[in-house]
Amino acid sequence: GENVEQHPSTLSVQEGDSAVIKCTYSDSASNYFPWYKQELGKRPQLIIDIRSNVGEKKDQRIAVTLNKTAKHFSLHITETQPEDSAVYFCAASIGSNYQLIWGAGTKLIIKP
Amino acid sequence: SQTIHQWPATLVQPVGSPLSLECTVEGTSNPNLYWYRQAAGRGLQLLFYSVGIGQISSEVPQNLSASRPQDRQFILSSKKLLLSDSGFYLCAWSAGGEAFFGQGTRLTVV
Repeated sequence: GENVEQHPSTLSVQEGDSAVIKCTYSDSASNYFPWYKQELGKRPQLIIDIRSNVGEKKDQRIAVTLNKTAKHFSLHITETQPEDSAVYFCAASIGSNYQLIWGAGTKLIIKP
Repeated sequence: SQTIHQWPATLVQPVGSPLSLECTVEGTSNPNLYWYRQAAGRGLQLLFYSVGIGQISSEVPQNLSASRPQDRQFILSSKKLLLSDSGFYLCAWSAGGEAFFGQGTRLTVV
């Protein structure tokens, strides 16, 4: 079946440095790619998303890039802050109902 | 605006007891509805999804079932809970894009 692979599973960066999380997907028909942040004990919440008709999208310190040819997309967080510590999930849509296939998650740790 | 309600927030149930978790959505029609389970420190495991009333797709064979008796109501059930059913259960809805999650139910089976 379709799948999404996410790397790394854990990422530890110094406060102020950048963090990059990468995902690859298998369904070439996927056209919607969201990123979610989940703080401990809380629900996942959308932080940024991108559709297949663009290659990059930015929102302040967060950006997502998409390479449709290679079937991978990445989350970039610059100037990391302690509140960025969380688990991040990527996803890719499949089918006409836009069902999401999820990556396994990346635990991001920001070291003070 | 759309909102999603999921309850209860926490639940402790003995092995062999039944389960019923309810999720309702407001402010939208004919949403896609989902039930996920998340083990501690793990990813999102899709359990069931529904594209309409009475239409349920099961992703993983298990001790659970789902029903959608109304357009904006999604119920997760079990007749007899197992220890392995413990976890964080999340309901979500989407309309063809972003998924919106309920607050989650932390289920502990003892």
